[in-house]
Amino acid sequence: GENVEQHPSTLSVQEGDSAVIKCTYSDSASNYFPWYKQELGKRPQLIIDIRSNVGEKKDQRIAVTLNKTAKHFSLHITETQPEDSAVYFCAASKGGTGGSYIPTFGRGTSLIVHP
Amino acid sequence: GAGVSQTPSNKVTEKGKYVELRCDPISGHTALYWYRQSLGQGPEFLIYFQGTGAADDSGLPNDRFFAVRPEGSVSTLKIQRTERGDSAVYLCASSLWTNTEAFFGQGTRLTVV
Repeated sequence: GENVEQHPSTLSVQEGDSAVIKCTYSDSASNYFPWYKQELGKRPQLIIDIRSNVGEKKDQRIAVTLNKTAKHFSLHITETQPEDSAVYFCAASKGGTGGSYIPTFGRGTSLIVHP
Repeated sequence: GAGVSQTPSNKVTEKGKYVELRCDPISGHTALYWYRQSLGQGPEFLIYFQGTGAADDSGLPNDRFFAVRPEGSVSTLKIQRTERGDSAVYLCASSLWTNTEAFFGQGTRLTVV
């Protein structure tokens, strides 16, 4: 089955700095890569996703890049703010014939933004 | 509209007891997932429903765990003879179709004492 590795497990930055979280996946057939943000005691919520037919997607301060050859994808947050502090999870899944459709999650990155 | 709803939000039970956890997905969502999340970990897949049938139950840890979705909407996760190691937050998610955004419920925190 799919295996998703996520690094780092903890990331501490100063407000205004950029933060980068990296994930690798094992199944080359995976074609959907969502990122979730989970605040303490709350449910995971989607912040951005990317499909395998594009290499990059941006939404205001958040961007995701995908390298299918290397089987890795990254989340980039620019101009970080204290409210960005949370745990971020990457996931990978595959659709289509024989697809498992089941998002497999990384172990999470705890992002701490210091004011 | 309403999001994914899970009940109860907290459940404390004694070791050996039976528990049921309920998930009410977003109306019209065909895919439903159950995950388990332990402290400091990512969601761990348990079972996936497409419509009424369990399309993949490979994540269920053992035969004490069972889930149903009889009418293709509400799902119930059932745990028999609970053990202390079952303590975790059980998350339910639904999506309109497969390989699209999964919306999570707020989870049920199960504590087995």
